[in-house]
Amino acid sequence: DGGITQSPKYLFRKEGQNVTLSCEQNLNHDAMYWYRQDPGQGLRLIYYSQIVNDFQKGDIAEGYSVSREKKESFPLTVTSAQKNPTAFYLCASSIQGANSYEQYFGPGTRLTVT
Amino acid sequence: GENVEQHPSTLSVQEGDSAVIKCTYSDSASNYFPWYKQELGKGPQLIIDIRSNVGEKKDQRIAVTLNKTAKHFSLHITETQPEDSAVYFCAAKDSSYKLIFGSGTRLLVRP
Repeated sequence: DGGITQSPKYLFRKEGQNVTLSCEQNLNHDAMYWYRQDPGQGLRLIYYSQIVNDFQKGDIAEGYSVSREKKESFPLTVTSAQKNPTAFYLCASSIQGANSYEQYFGPGTRLTVT
Repeated sequence: GENVEQHPSTLSVQEGDSAVIKCTYSDSASNYFPWYKQELGKGPQLIIDIRSNVGEKKDQRIAVTLNKTAKHFSLHITETQPEDSAVYFCAAKDSSYKLIFGSGTRLLVRP
């Protein structure tokens, strides 16, 4: 089965703790993305990576960090510096071709911080 | 940078009727416009997309139209069914590989 997996589906943390969200893909896609979704709003880009060992900040990177040590994996760490971490987090991937733009999403992780 | 606006925010139709969702974008260099369907608690699913060299694209009951001059594009769903009920997002690809998303439309199809 090819696709994007995110784990866990639900995650609960206490305020002040860092937490890492997992994203794995077996689609052989070069590019991977992290989005945040808040109720009633669209998706906002946190970080993206077009190639292994390289990543760029998106529109709302403050309080988040990422790594891209393997092509298949793009974990996101929500740090204690993120002021409003409770949200639905979505990972996506895409082929990095000149005319290939389609992004495919994982099932998401709902993070609740209290 | 690119900005995408989506209307309406909610849409209620009778089963069998058509539904139309509209988006406008600001960056004339944008060249790729996907539509996603998101069911409750799930990730968005790509349902149709269009590139800037095409004016219309159809896939069974869904179609997308693009007007580059006016910088707007629309999703058309015909013969709506209850399973079409979901949140729909439009997006536009800016000059990089980033997608800029609209704020979403909650579609309710009444049986």
